Amino acid sequence: DTEVTQTPKHLVMGMTNKKSLKCEQHMGHRAMYWYKQKAKKPPELMFVYSYEKLSINESVPSRFSPECPNSSLLNLHLHALQPEDSALYLCASSQDLTGIETQYFGPGTRLLVL
Amino acid sequence: AQKVTQAQTEISVVEKEDVTLDCVYETRDTTYYLFWYKQPPSGELVFLIRRNSFDEQNEISGRYSWNFQKSTSSFNFTITASQVVDSAVYFCALSVPYNQGGKLIFGQGTELSVKP
Repeated sequence: DTEVTQTPKHLVMGMTNKKSLKCEQHMGHRAMYWYKQKAKKPPELMFVYSYEKLSINESVPSRFSPECPNSSLLNLHLHALQPEDSALYLCASSQDLTGIETQYFGPGTRLLVL
Repeated sequence: AQKVTQAQTEISVVEKEDVTLDCVYETRDTTYYLFWYKQPPSGELVFLIRRNSFDEQNEISGRYSWNFQKSTSSFNFTITASQVVDSAVYFCALSVPYNQGGKLIFGQGTELSVKP
C-alpha cells in the first residue's frame, strides 16, 4: 500500500487565521516532506523530517511551522499567511532520507488565503 | 549543480496517437536516480518509474515505455496509443544521494492533453 493521506482537501483562510494541514502515512517510512506547488510550476521543497527530526528547512518563512508528532504523522501549522501563499501543499514520504528512495505523494491540500 | 529540463511545455495529441515526452538532465554525480511522476488535474503526484544511473536498460510497462541514454543525458517517456485518461502534467525528476545534496530536482513539467 503506497498511500499518503492529507486533510483537508481544500482550505480557505484569512490572513489572521491559524490553521493546520495534516499528513499521514502507514508505509513505515521514516522520511516525510512538505512541498508547495504553484499553478503551472513543479513542487518546491519546504521541509524534510527524518526519524521525526527536522532535517531540511528550505528557508521557509516562520509563518509556516512544521511538526512531526510521530513517525506516521506530519503537520504544517499556518499562521498569518499572505495571499501569495495560496497554493497546493503536497506531503510526501520515503523509506528514508538517503536521497535515492522513491517519494510517494499525497493528494495535496489546496489552500486559498484571502 | 543538478538540473532537469523538459523542453516541451505543452503537447496536444489525438487519442490513439503515440507521444514522447523528453527529459534531459545534468549532474556531475556518478550515482543518481531518475523518476517520472504524473499529476492529473486532481493534484496528486503519481509515481511512475525510478531508474538508477547504472541501469540503462529500457523499460516497458503496458502502454508506457522509458528510454534512458546516459550518452545524451536523457530519460524520455513514451506513451503508446494514448488515451484521454493520460491527460496530465508529467514531471521528470532527478535525485542524488543525501550526502551529495539529497533532494528531488524536478523539471518544469510537460502538460499532455489527449483529445478524443
